[in-house]
Amino acid sequence: AQTVTQSQPEMSVQEAETVTLSCTYDTSESDYYLFWYKQPPSRQMILVIRQEAYKQQNATENRFSVNFQKAAKSFSLKISDSQLGDAAMYFCAFNNAGNMLTFGGGTRLMVKP
Amino acid sequence: DTEVTQTPKHLVMGMTNKKSLKCEQHMGHRAMYWYKQKAKKPPELMFVYSYEKLSINESVPSRFSPECPNSSLLNLHLHALQPEDSALYLCASSQGPDRAGANVLTFGAGSRLTVL
Repeated sequence: AQTVTQSQPEMSVQEAETVTLSCTYDTSESDYYLFWYKQPPSRQMILVIRQEAYKQQNATENRFSVNFQKAAKSFSLKISDSQLGDAAMYFCAFNNAGNMLTFGGGTRLMVKP
Repeated sequence: DTEVTQTPKHLVMGMTNKKSLKCEQHMGHRAMYWYKQKAKKPPELMFVYSYEKLSINESVPSRFSPECPNSSLLNLHLHALQPEDSALYLCASSQGPDRAGANVLTFGAGSRLTVL
């Protein structure tokens, strides 16, 4: 079974600064996909970014980028130029080829004005 | 249409009531999911439907009964629930099991259930 661990229950960042959220996972699979989802107080889970394990290049989406270290089984999310609207719960998630999405415990990100 | 719509947004029910949660998507997705999320916890998978057939049941109690009448609609029928079943119920959809690992799940905003 796969496990996903987010070691930071809470993080805070000053507006316009950069913050990195950590995620590690454990799997014996070689083909899989990793995701970061954001869940603001409105409750809707929103996809932030995804990474295919077979791709060495780190995914980026505007201010969001990942540092994917396959050998270390690490998948961190970097948010640059943080904005007040980035405040939310962030979940790291793992998906193998079996339709199963496994979530980490989440990191609550607070953005200070 | 790139949304997953869930109704109702809030539901309060007694332990003897029968109610249903509804989920709808018009993206042509062929896989649909029910997740349960307790406060400050990650979502937990309950059921997966692929091509309108139940493919995964994560040992969910029978008081939760899923139904997929067609490829766009997913229901969760609730009967004789317990107070500990109070949670946010999230519906999601994805393109389908053909490339399951690549699928991005699109989530609805959830139905907040309170069982008295």
